[in-house]
Amino acid sequence: DGGITQSPKYLFRKEGQNVTLSCEQNLNHDAMYWYRQDPGQGLRLIYYSQIVNDFQKGDIAEGYSVSREKKESFPLTVTSAQKNPTAFYLCASRGQATDTQYFGPGTRLTVL
Amino acid sequence: AQTVTQSQPEMSVQEAETVTLSCTYDTSENNYYLFWYKQPPSRQMILVIRQEAYKQQNATENRFSVNFQKAAKSFSLKISDSQLGDTAMYFCAFMKHLPSNTGKLIFGQGTTLQVKP
Repeated sequence: DGGITQSPKYLFRKEGQNVTLSCEQNLNHDAMYWYRQDPGQGLRLIYYSQIVNDFQKGDIAEGYSVSREKKESFPLTVTSAQKNPTAFYLCASRGQATDTQYFGPGTRLTVL
Repeated sequence: AQTVTQSQPEMSVQEAETVTLSCTYDTSENNYYLFWYKQPPSRQMILVIRQEAYKQQNATENRFSVNFQKAAKSFSLKISDSQLGDTAMYFCAFMKHLPSNTGKLIFGQGTTLQVKP
């Protein structure tokens, strides 16, 4: 099946720990995105990548880091510098010259 | 900077009836895209419908249609013959025209729709 997968579905982190959220797509899409969703709010862009080995900060990049070593993969690391990391994280991808983003199922991160 | 506003935090509708969700946006761009996404309790974001700003004809997808008013910067979603499975949070989103931009989506705050039996 073609699509976007995110793992894990639920993630618990102790304060001071870094955690990495996985995002994989087999849609052959060039662009990939990470969004954060807080309760009752819309999505906000954390980082995006339009091509392998290149990525840019979004609106709320502080405390997060990413890599894009392969076209299929765009992992997000939530570092200890992120003040309030408890949220729902969504990964999306978009094909070149197309306008529509398709989303993965999301990861719920909770800081204990 | 672009902004998207959904002024109805919550709405409800009886099954089989019609409901309209409102969305307004602010931009100085002339060419752009508008989207409605649905987020059911599973939290999977699902594309409902998309509209290209340079097309005057309103987009339709089965029971879903939009009323796109470019001059008023309004983009409402009409759901006809509402079904229980339409219960979800609905997000309006804006994107600048490609290929000169990053494909960044700007989302509204969402409207929670409950379809009642």
